[in-house]
Amino acid sequence: LAKTTQPISMDSYEGQEVNITCSHNNIATNDYITWYQQFPSQGPRFIIQGYKTKVTNEVASLFIPADRKSSTLSLPRVSLSDTAVYYCLVGDSLTSGTYKYIFGTGTRLKVLA
Amino acid sequence: SAVISQKPSRDICQRGTSLTIQCQVDSQVTMMFWYRQQPGQSLTLIATANQGSEATYESGFVIDKFPISRPNLTFSTLTVSNMSPEDSSIYLCSARQGAYTGELFFGEGSRLTVL
Repeated sequence: LAKTTQPISMDSYEGQEVNITCSHNNIATNDYITWYQQFPSQGPRFIIQGYKTKVTNEVASLFIPADRKSSTLSLPRVSLSDTAVYYCLVGDSLTSGTYKYIFGTGTRLKVLA
Repeated sequence: SAVISQKPSRDICQRGTSLTIQCQVDSQVTMMFWYRQQPGQSLTLIATANQGSEATYESGFVIDKFPISRPNLTFSTLTVSNMSPEDSSIYLCSARQGAYTGELFFGEGSRLTVL
């Protein structure tokens, strides 16, 4: 059963770069790593997904080392509106051969003015 | 992408009653899942909703308490049966178009309060 470990909370100031690292020691060779963002009273929202090395989109970057036992979500120049809970997910295979996603505790990011 | 609509968005229920939550996706999806989220906590997977067959439940969740239907590729229901105050929570429907990878889309959730 793949599991993830993240810091419980982080504080940052507006305009700073925030890096959140997730450990996933038991990741399978064909698992993707996915990050989600959740605001209060809303469902989680997809941020970024990657398999290895580096992935970048318009809102974040994801760094994955060669051993894939961890990954780091990087948020450039955060603003107050980035205050949310961030979840790192890896797939978990079902007996049917498909995948489900188990959520870890998440990291509660608070951006300060 | 996929847009997920859940009904009801919130409800207040009496102990011992049952409530069915509906989840409608605007496009056909391979996978559908039901999660529960208690206040201030992470999401807990209840079950995988399988089209045309019985759902696959996670440890700690049983069909008698949380019966799930998935008659087609765009619709699923979750029933919370014989509710108690401990069932007060947010229930979220999610869907993914791919079997293995891809974005997991979420509804806005159904907030249940059991008195």
